[in-house]
Amino acid sequence: GQQVMQIPQYQHVQEGEDFTTYCNSSTTLSNIQWYKQRPGGHPVFLIQLVKSGEVKKQKRLTFQFGEAKKNSSLHITATQTTDVGTYFCAGPLNDYKLSFGAGTTVTVRA
Amino acid sequence: NAGVTQTPKFQVLKTGQSMTLQCAQDMNHNSMYWYRQDPGMGLRLIYYSASEGTTDKGEVPNGYNVSRLNKREFSLRLESAAPSQTSVYFCASKQVYEQYFGPGTRLTVT
Repeated sequence: GQQVMQIPQYQHVQEGEDFTTYCNSSTTLSNIQWYKQRPGGHPVFLIQLVKSGEVKKQKRLTFQFGEAKKNSSLHITATQTTDVGTYFCAGPLNDYKLSFGAGTTVTVRA
Repeated sequence: NAGVTQTPKFQVLKTGQSMTLQCAQDMNHNSMYWYRQDPGMGLRLIYYSASEGTTDKGEVPNGYNVSRLNKREFSLRLESAAPSQTSVYFCASKQVYEQYFGPGTRLTVT
């Protein structure tokens, strides 16, 4: 079945630096979603990408969907302490179910 | 709107005890979900309900049962708790594609 893999599992970033987290699927995806979970909190939807090669920006966050629709990335510029948390990507298994990656947990050194 | 609410927030059970986790949403969403979250494993789907009156198994249904009581409420029951069910449980609801998560229930089985 479809598996969504994320790397790295952990990302330790100096405040102000940039970083990228990656999501790879074993199958072609119709779309991909990204969620953020703050420590002790619950996942919150960030964005959905649908088109091949699509790039979307939310302030310092840039999301990209690969040309083959089998991978995606999240790039954060000028990391801030508010970026701390775990970022999950998720691909649809059908109209109702999502397959979540294991997440990238981000910590920030001030 | 309260969004998605879950009760209880915390629970400690002894092996063999039973309990029901409650979930309600006030967004008039058709689909509802139960996930468990364990360290390093992301979110794994236990059961979901695509619409009122239907329920289906997810990735890890063994040891759990669910009831879609009405459009608002979706409960998760552990009939005979086991230490392997120690986890954080999230309920979610969905209308189009974005999933909205509740605050979670932290369950410990001793």
